[in-house]
Amino acid sequence: DAGVIQSPRHEVTEMGQEVTLRCKPISGHNSLFWYRQTMMRGLELLIYFNNNVPIDDSGMPEDRFSAKMPNASFSTLKIQPSEPRDSAVYFCASSWTSGKSSYNEQFFGPGTRLTVL
Amino acid sequence: GNSVTQMEGPVTLSEEAFLTINCTYTATGYPSLFWYVQYPGEGLQLLLKATKADDKGSNKGFEATYRKETTSFHLEKGSVQVSDSAVYFCALSMNYGGATNKLIFGTGTLLAVQP
Repeated sequence: DAGVIQSPRHEVTEMGQEVTLRCKPISGHNSLFWYRQTMMRGLELLIYFNNNVPIDDSGMPEDRFSAKMPNASFSTLKIQPSEPRDSAVYFCASSWTSGKSSYNEQFFGPGTRLTVL
Repeated sequence: GNSVTQMEGPVTLSEEAFLTINCTYTATGYPSLFWYVQYPGEGLQLLLKATKADDKGSNKGFEATYRKETTSFHLEKGSVQVSDSAVYFCALSMNYGGATNKLIFGTGTLLAVQP
């Protein structure tokens, strides 16, 4: 089975440009998470969706960041305009979330390494 | 609020040495606890988990015991290998009946094992 798929794997852009990161979750999963990883701040949860609906976007750093999940098999994270401080590795993860009080493993994609010059 | 604190790295060991990576947590309630591992150039993978006090999670020779009295979940391995070199993240998840699967991560600990 294919895992979580992210594209592109590497992105180099100039300050002010729009950046779109893409994620395809594991088929059948109903929760999707976007994380950002940097040396300074570690691993941060930006936003997560349940059944394509954003549940918690409190981690989104500012209005320049936006995320969408138009259907169960695709999500995007957009940065417009991008800034050098946005340089990081962005991970997408998915899981199956049931209505019961139990945790189900998150499966991470390989990440997108973003460099904003 | 809920948080995870883990020992800073890097931790450098020789092959076959004993490993301990400390992790403590703060939570309002009874979290589930996890260790995730990140190998170079890859995303995170679940290594082991424990969902209630005194549970022991284990996988690939790694173990961690959920200690409610000390709010700890220390990761141990009796004999590390070069292939264990990676970043290890301690994490917790709070279940509010709706099971959000939201994770709170520690800062990660880099383990370097030398032959």
